[in-house]
Amino acid sequence: TQLLEQSPQFLSIQEGENLTVYCNSSSVFSSLQWYRQEPGEGPVLLVTVVTGGEVKKLKRLTFQFGDARKDSSLHITAAQPGDTGLYLCAGGPEYGNKLVFGAGTILRVKS
Amino acid sequence: ETGVTQTPRHLVMGMTNKKSLKCEQHLGHNAMYWYKQSAKKPLELMFVYSLEERVENNSVPSRFSPECPNSSHLFLHLHTLQPEDSALYLCASSQDEGQGGYEQYFGPGTRLTVT
Repeated sequence: TQLLEQSPQFLSIQEGENLTVYCNSSSVFSSLQWYRQEPGEGPVLLVTVVTGGEVKKLKRLTFQFGDARKDSSLHITAAQPGDTGLYLCAGGPEYGNKLVFGAGTILRVKS
Repeated sequence: ETGVTQTPRHLVMGMTNKKSLKCEQHLGHNAMYWYKQSAKKPLELMFVYSLEERVENNSVPSRFSPECPNSSHLFLHLHTLQPEDSALYLCASSQDEGQGGYEQYFGPGTRLTVT
């Protein structure tokens, strides 16, 4: 069974601080996706990375896929209250369409 | 706007009631999913439909019955639920198969409370 472990589970920081969220597994994934979910809403896809070592940037968010395609990180620079939410990572299998989700990281950015 | 809509957004039902959740996707995808999201737990995949055929059923109790009449619509029929079934039920869709065919787009969810 493929598992994805996210850390930390909860993060509370001040506006302007930087943070990194990690997503780790012992399994290899063909792709890794990051979602953000706000209370009462569904997850919204932020990015998909598919190549080992790939780095993608989305404004103040930087996503990296590990060289071995077993782990990923999300780095936020100068966090803002609007970044508050649940961040989920999800791994795509080599075959099929069943994503494996991590338990999520709850981020709270205080102004 | 994610292109996936769900109704109702909130539902309160008794254990003896029968209700249905509806999902519609406007993205031209041909795979649809039902997930259950409970507090402090990873998303639980319940059902997967690909080209309107059910291809995955993760040992979900029979009190949950899915229906996919076409590639744009997905239903989850509920009957004789238990209080522990209270959760956020999410629908998602994706383009099926092939490399990179795993990006799933979610609806806003239905918050279900079983009393």
